[in-house]
Amino acid sequence: LAKTTQPISMDSYEGQEVNITCSHNNIATNDYITWYQQFPSQGPRFIIQGYKTKVTNEVASLFIPADRKSSTLSLPRVSLSDTAVYYCLVGSSGGSYIPTFGRGTSLIVHP
Amino acid sequence: EAGVTQSPTHLIKTRGQQATLRCSPISGHTSVYWYQQALGLGLQFLLWYDEGEERNRGNFPPRFSGRQFPNYSSELNVNALELEDSALYLCASSLDPWVPYFGPGTRLLVL
Repeated sequence: LAKTTQPISMDSYEGQEVNITCSHNNIATNDYITWYQQFPSQGPRFIIQGYKTKVTNEVASLFIPADRKSSTLSLPRVSLSDTAVYYCLVGSSGGSYIPTFGRGTSLIVHP
Repeated sequence: EAGVTQSPTHLIKTRGQQATLRCSPISGHTSVYWYQQALGLGLQFLLWYDEGEERNRGNFPPRFSGRQFPNYSSELNVNALELEDSALYLCASSLDPWVPYFGPGTRLLVL
């Protein structure tokens, strides 16, 4: 089970691009990288998932280098409503794998 | 497509009582995960059900139990409630373990 390490907190301002990096040095060949966003007292919301290179959707981009030992979630032009905790999750299907969440990164967006 | 639903949204109990929390997964999802999230903390894995069977459980005492019904909905039971059981209880469902989709949670308060 790949352990993930993220910064505990980050600060940004409205309109800026925010990049949150997650380290997962012992990622396995079959593991995917998934990011979630969580607001207080709500369930985590799926943002994006990738395996290698770059993935982009309507809300974020995910950059994964060739060695896959880290990944970076990029949020373009953040707004106050992006203030939340962001979790990086690494794992794959099959066996007895349990989605295990780390402490996450608390992002605060300032006006 | 309806997401994961949980009931009740809030639950207030006193010490020693029993609490029952319910979860309906996304249609077609056979796996259900339960997590506990104490205030300000990360998600702690509780239980995993798949195809009606308990597949794994986290480091919680036996008074935390549950089941999965033939329609894949699930129930979490917490017996002999203690003050420290106060938390947000999150249910997630998935087809693949590495992309769980979460419900809104049940806020349990033990007085």
